[in-house]
Amino acid sequence: DADVTQTPRNRITKTGKRIMLECSQTKGHDRMYWYRQDPGLGLRLIYYSFDVKDINKGEISDGYSVSRQAQAKFSLSLESAIPNQTALYFCATSDLAGEGDTQYFGPGTRLTVL
Amino acid sequence: TQLLEQSPQFLSIQEGENLTVYCNSSSVFSSLQWYRQEPGEGPVLLVTVVTGGEVKKLKRLTFQFGDARKDSSLHITAAQPGDTGLYLCAGALSNDYKLSFGAGTTVTVRA
Repeated sequence: DADVTQTPRNRITKTGKRIMLECSQTKGHDRMYWYRQDPGLGLRLIYYSFDVKDINKGEISDGYSVSRQAQAKFSLSLESAIPNQTALYFCATSDLAGEGDTQYFGPGTRLTVL
Repeated sequence: TQLLEQSPQFLSIQEGENLTVYCNSSSVFSSLQWYRQEPGEGPVLLVTVVTGGEVKKLKRLTFQFGDARKDSSLHITAAQPGDTGLYLCAGALSNDYKLSFGAGTTVTVRA
């Protein structure tokens, strides 16, 4: 089984709808992250959480919210989806151990907002 | 403006050729990482470098961290079709546990 799972894998929705993307991990890591990936822009950080009681905004948090329900679960919500939120969304986990901060990514959710 | 600039954006070469991907910044990083991403999957870590001037080798891949810890390069020797993918560099600034990613280099190795 994958260590980091994301649901759904693909979602098509309409402008104005509320959408929730879910992430679960079995790695036992405290740190979890949500990124979006757009062609030519790489990965940009939306929100991150260093433990269950800690939530922090990333560089592009406007229009998004998150919930850290448990160590293993971190959800991303789009309260009112708009077309420029069409992107590939990745959840990642890390456990600052050893050199650097290795991040382990889920398989991604492709979101299309019409 | 991205903190890390990668070049080139796209690279297409024949099997057996060598290639180099660059990752540059005006900022100093405490560590720098390279990830590879294949279609339909999330990025996977290849290497982490932490010391200025450090060189790490992973089979046919050679990674170098600049002396001033502002830049890095990835060199692939005798590329194979299995090396095809999106290569991303990512850096952590001092006293910051978050990673900043470059835009990526799409590498295509033709058989």
